[in-house]
Amino acid sequence: NFMLTQPHSVSESPGKTVTISCTRSSGSIASNYVQWYQQRPGSSPIIVIYEDTQRPSGVPDRFSGSIDSSSNSASLTISGLKTEDEADYYCQSSDTITRVFGGGTKLTVL
Amino acid sequence: QVQLQESGPGPVKPSETLSLNCTVSGFAISSGYYWGWIRQRPGKGLEWIGSVYYSGSTHYSPSLKSRVTTSIDTSKNQFSLKLKSVTAADTAVYYCARGGSWYGDARFDYWGQGTLVTVSS
Repeated sequence: NFMLTQPHSVSESPGKTVTISCTRSSGSIASNYVQWYQQRPGSSPIIVIYEDTQRPSGVPDRFSGSIDSSSNSASLTISGLKTEDEADYYCQSSDTITRVFGGGTKLTVL
Repeated sequence: QVQLQESGPGPVKPSETLSLNCTVSGFAISSGYYWGWIRQRPGKGLEWIGSVYYSGSTHYSPSLKSRVTTSIDTSKNQFSLKLKSVTAADTAVYYCARGGSWYGDARFDYWGQGTLVTVSS
């Protein structure tokens, strides 16, 4: 098994850019796709990035994903922050038989 | 539009079995895809429980494998979760979600609204 580690919280001002990291504990980050989900309070998660870098239709292009093999991590970057982006964000990946979620990052836009 | 809706009998007593159904509309589950269960304990993060393929094959979280069963009923366009021998630690919001079209595709792209299951005597 492996773990995905995210920072507990990040904060940034409206209009700025924020990056949330997700580090895989074992196995290569590049060996299995990474997804990112946004969860607002009281709501179900919605997918904002899949297959490391792909945005589902309807997700603004302010959201982008990347992976970095040197640090064995994935990142979610949100540019032009809006107050509506304030939410919890979870990364997710897999291995041969399991799916794993990161612990989540609370994004505060202040 | 694919929609999922969890349903279940309500509170569960310790040591009993938690049973939930997920009804899918707008998509025939016999067409393919994995169908998954994810839970979220109060104030905590997301935890994958397990997934069932449209053909009936299953994959479970190693930490829950000994207590979990998932199944699929294509005639009702439903899939189900059973978690046995529950304790208070199993109190959570349980979500059903559509997984990928093959096992290497790990995304969950459509989610139900979630149902809170409380384990209490």
